[in-house]
Amino acid sequence: DTAVSQTPKYLVTQMGNDKSIKCEQNLGHDTMYWYKQDSKKFLKIMFSYNNKELIINETVPNRFSPKSPDKAHLNLHINSLELGDSAVYFCASSPPTLRDTQYFGPGTRLTVL
Amino acid sequence: AQTVTQSQPEMSVQEAETVTLSCTYDTSENNYYLFWYKQPPSRQMILVIRQEAYKQQNATENRFSVNFQKAAKSFSLKISDSQLGDTAMYFCAFITTTSGTYKYIFGTGTRLKVLA
Repeated sequence: DTAVSQTPKYLVTQMGNDKSIKCEQNLGHDTMYWYKQDSKKFLKIMFSYNNKELIINETVPNRFSPKSPDKAHLNLHINSLELGDSAVYFCASSPPTLRDTQYFGPGTRLTVL
Repeated sequence: AQTVTQSQPEMSVQEAETVTLSCTYDTSENNYYLFWYKQPPSRQMILVIRQEAYKQQNATENRFSVNFQKAAKSFSLKISDSQLGDTAMYFCAFITTTSGTYKYIFGTGTRLKVLA
């Protein structure tokens, strides 16, 4: 009965590779988000999708491409990985009735070697 | 620019005692929400408490309460009867609803250690 799940939990890869992180929520929420938490624990929003439509796109390199096949999924694809992409990536979702409150997934720790 | 500042990078407290974590924010908006999130070593982000800016009454959740001072743009978290399980990073967050989109802005966090 996991609410917001992410796979994988850990991802170790070489520079230059392409990788994806998947996020799914079974809460019936219509808005989903991706956040990046750097090594200093600073958490910053990257993207937000509402009903599969992109509504927030912060200044993120275009190597990062979110994809929302349906309201319950928001995947993050990263091309040509760089050392600076190493971080913990959090997915979150929020319901239409309480849009200000977000529910976070467990995070994916990405390490680029 | 909208910012959230947590001026205490690390704090410690003895078990069963009370500790207060500080947070200040800056915004020109009138309608917003404030949150405290807890991130234990498991990495999970857990919502601790939520405050609506238009409500004067301070939010309370069991041992957690806030002191919300709107004029001073201050939103501190008080943890009473601290428990070992409270050891975690605590993030203050502010959400603005400009243009109908909801965007969290997080502070840099306070690492709290509860000592036995």
